[in-house]
Amino acid sequence: QKEVEQNSGPLSVPEGAIASLNCTYSDRGSQSFFWYRQYSGKSPELIMSIYSNGDKEDGRFTAQLNKASQYVSLLIRDSQPSDSATYLCAVTGTASKLTFGTGTRLQVTL
Amino acid sequence: DVKVTQSSRYLVKRTGEKVFLECVQDMDHENMFWYRQDPGLGLRLIYFSYDVKMKEKGDIPEGYSVSREKKERFSLILESASTNQTSMYLCASRSYGKPEQYFGPGTRLTVT
Repeated sequence: QKEVEQNSGPLSVPEGAIASLNCTYSDRGSQSFFWYRQYSGKSPELIMSIYSNGDKEDGRFTAQLNKASQYVSLLIRDSQPSDSATYLCAVTGTASKLTFGTGTRLQVTL
Repeated sequence: DVKVTQSSRYLVKRTGEKVFLECVQDMDHENMFWYRQDPGLGLRLIYFSYDVKMKEKGDIPEGYSVSREKKERFSLILESASTNQTSMYLCASRSYGKPEQYFGPGTRLTVT
């Protein structure tokens, strides 16, 4: 079992729709959870962090965390073509090491 | 804003060459990291450093070494480059006690 799992996609959503990206993790002691956005050929850019159960909103982005289910998600409202990228879920475990999923590719279509 | 820079965006080297990849951060971060990223495998940690002159092996240290002589600079060394080290190399840094890591632009290394 992978430590951090994501569906590789591509996830295709029309412009203006809500994109929902999901991630599960295996280490129950995980403390910190992050979403990075990575455009093709570029490096990952931190867009959201969440540390406690519930929702955290920042602009069009909402991160959701459920530690009991070991599940973290990212919602992107009013999706734009510029949101087309690969989204990496990253989790800090008990050893403070950051473990990444392999990413979900999002395509926002016109 | 955190600024992490890497010495080259693209690099082509021959098998057996010694390769140096350099990373510099300007935010006085204590911790620095080297990852490689390959399709289908995601980001894998090669080495990290908690502070000057300190280093720890990550998940895939074989074939690599590192050097951290100054706080702002963390170098990755491929002692004898091989074709299976063709990859995107990413440097990251973070402040001690904070979990967020910030990445440099990456170096795409091709070993022929």
